[in-house]
Amino acid sequence: GAVVSQHPSWVICKSGTSVKIECRSLDFQATTMFWYRQFPKQSLMLMATSNEGSKATYEQGVEKDKFLINHASLTLSTLTVTSAHPEDSSFYICSASGTGRNIQYFGAGTRLSVL
Amino acid sequence: GESVGLHLPTLSVQEGDNSIINCAYSNSASDYFIWYKQESGKGPQFIIDIRSNMDKRQGQRVTVLLNKTVKHLSLQIAATQPGDSAVYFCAERGGGSQGNLIFGKGTKLSVKP
Repeated sequence: GAVVSQHPSWVICKSGTSVKIECRSLDFQATTMFWYRQFPKQSLMLMATSNEGSKATYEQGVEKDKFLINHASLTLSTLTVTSAHPEDSSFYICSASGTGRNIQYFGAGTRLSVL
Repeated sequence: GESVGLHLPTLSVQEGDNSIINCAYSNSASDYFIWYKQESGKGPQFIIDIRSNMDKRQGQRVTVLLNKTVKHLSLQIAATQPGDSAVYFCAERGGGSQGNLIFGKGTKLSVKP
């Protein structure tokens, strides 16, 4: 299957700092990338969808100025959590799909802890 | 949205037995369904998918059944192994042009050796 790499896998930061998470498709061109947030023992909550070269589409209730998404190329999307606070601590997961593909392939996730 | 502190449904099976994980979906217009397996601290891993014009699809040790009449999806795992222990999510693709998936709440499968 297709491989999606997500980095870092774990990050601890101080309150007020910004954190960038990278998501790369390693062996296919990801026309669409998705960013999810997951709380313990809960399902995945879609935050936003991004297409290469265009602005991301955010789900209702997700602050676009708080969670900056950039999909600069067909293999890379980034999520930046700006001015992080403890309530932003969570497991963030990206996924990617290619042209004509239904399946979303997921990265391994990033655990963010804000102190 | 999700309730805080929601407890995942749990299915406990003996190693070697067959497992059946069920899922009810919400949108009768959904045209595509997919099952993912998520191990602790990892991202979801694709297991099997099915289009709405089918009612059964088989993979290696897994079978997905789709009943559109009652909007029900199931995942059958044959000869369950300890390595199958994980949380299993069903997802449906509803409307929208970007192929967004809507995930179910998940079921935790525990396999006893």
